[in-house]
Amino acid sequence: KAGVTQTPRYLIKTRGQQVTLSCSPISGHRSVSWYQQTPGQGLQFLFEYFSETQRNKGNFPGRFSGRQFSNSRSEMNVSTLELGDSALYLCASSPRTGAVTTEAFFGQGTRLTVV
Amino acid sequence: GEDVEQSLFLSVREGDSSVINCTYTDSSSTYLYWYKQEPGAGLQLLTYIFSNMDMKQDQRLTVLLNKKDKHLSLRIADTQTGDSAIYFCAEMFSGGYNKLIFGAGTRLAVHP
Repeated sequence: KAGVTQTPRYLIKTRGQQVTLSCSPISGHRSVSWYQQTPGQGLQFLFEYFSETQRNKGNFPGRFSGRQFSNSRSEMNVSTLELGDSALYLCASSPRTGAVTTEAFFGQGTRLTVV
Repeated sequence: GEDVEQSLFLSVREGDSSVINCTYTDSSSTYLYWYKQEPGAGLQLLTYIFSNMDMKQDQRLTVLLNKKDKHLSLRIADTQTGDSAIYFCAEMFSGGYNKLIFGAGTRLAVHP
């Protein structure tokens, strides 16, 4: 069974640009969550999608957005990039059979560098 | 509140046991997790424990949960150099929707 696939693995963007990151969850998993990892703030929850609906959002500005497609693949978008957006962006895939999932499996992440 | 705390660094000798500790604040958390992160990689789910359990063992890994003190620990038996990594404790936010609250991570260094 293939794991969580995130593309691209590395990205370099200029301040003010926008970027789109992609995540393909484990086959059969319908919940996708996104996290930002930085040396200063650690791992922080961005948002979660289930059945194409955003169910929860972390404390991030509106420049951070996402969506989920009918095949459960998810994308996140960051507009008007700032230097502080440089981070490892991680996607997690969960089976979510009920209100709360038991396991969340992470991809390798996308390393975004804003210059 | 949402807060998970871990000590930042642990150094052990190869072959010894490692114990990584974590405290959390959300007493309603249903599941607690341990993840491992190697340099340049994502997070690898090591194990998790349901909040009504006291202990879970999985090969070299033993998780102990003290719900009264909101304390979680991960014991790695016979620690090897390949165990050198950052270990994250996480709780599932009781508000649901698959929101994990992570600690800052404990860097485990294994030396000969």
